[in-house]
Amino acid sequence: EAQVTQNPRYLITVTGKKLTVTCSQNMNHEYMSWYRQDPGLGLRQIYYSMNVEVTDKGDVPEGYKVSRKEKRNFPLILESPSPNQTSLYFCASAVISFANTGELFFGEGSRLTVL
Amino acid sequence: AQKVTQAQTEISVVEKEDVTLDCVYETRDTTYYLFWYKQPPSGELVFLIRRNSFDEQNEISGRYSWNFQKSTSSFNFTITASQVVDSAVYFCALETSGSRLTFGEGTQLTVNP
Repeated sequence: EAQVTQNPRYLITVTGKKLTVTCSQNMNHEYMSWYRQDPGLGLRQIYYSMNVEVTDKGDVPEGYKVSRKEKRNFPLILESPSPNQTSLYFCASAVISFANTGELFFGEGSRLTVL
Repeated sequence: AQKVTQAQTEISVVEKEDVTLDCVYETRDTTYYLFWYKQPPSGELVFLIRRNSFDEQNEISGRYSWNFQKSTSSFNFTITASQVVDSAVYFCALETSGSRLTFGEGTQLTVNP
């Protein structure tokens, strides 16, 4: 089954404790990206990657890191989480066609709470 | 800079009513893509449509239709004869060069029986 898998789905952590949210896709998609969803703000792009070893900042990259060492994985790293990073996070992947993405396939979301 | 505005935060209708969700976008790019996604109460995000900036033809898919007007920078979404299962948050999104993707704030649609 074609899917994007995120882990963990739910996490409560404390300020400053490094954490990683993993994202894996099995569709051989070139494009992967991370979004955070906050009430009244919609989804905001954190980072995206057009291919292995290529990553770019989205609209809200501060406080986050990513890496794309393999095509299927795109982990989101919070080196020193703060309460304002409490949010619902989505990973997504897509085929790239003519330098633009097609339909985005989303993971189920990871709800992160930073105390 | 690019921006997507969904001015309707919440809409409530009674089943079988038609409802239109508005989406207005801003970009300086001449080539861009517009999307609509649905987020039902279960939380997943579901793709509905992708339209490129050179194709202004309106599209109909069952009870769903989309009206793209470059002159007003709008990409509105209409649900005909709404059903309770249409209750969800709907997001409009804009993709410009380099795959920068910007979502609107979303419109919460509630369809009451």
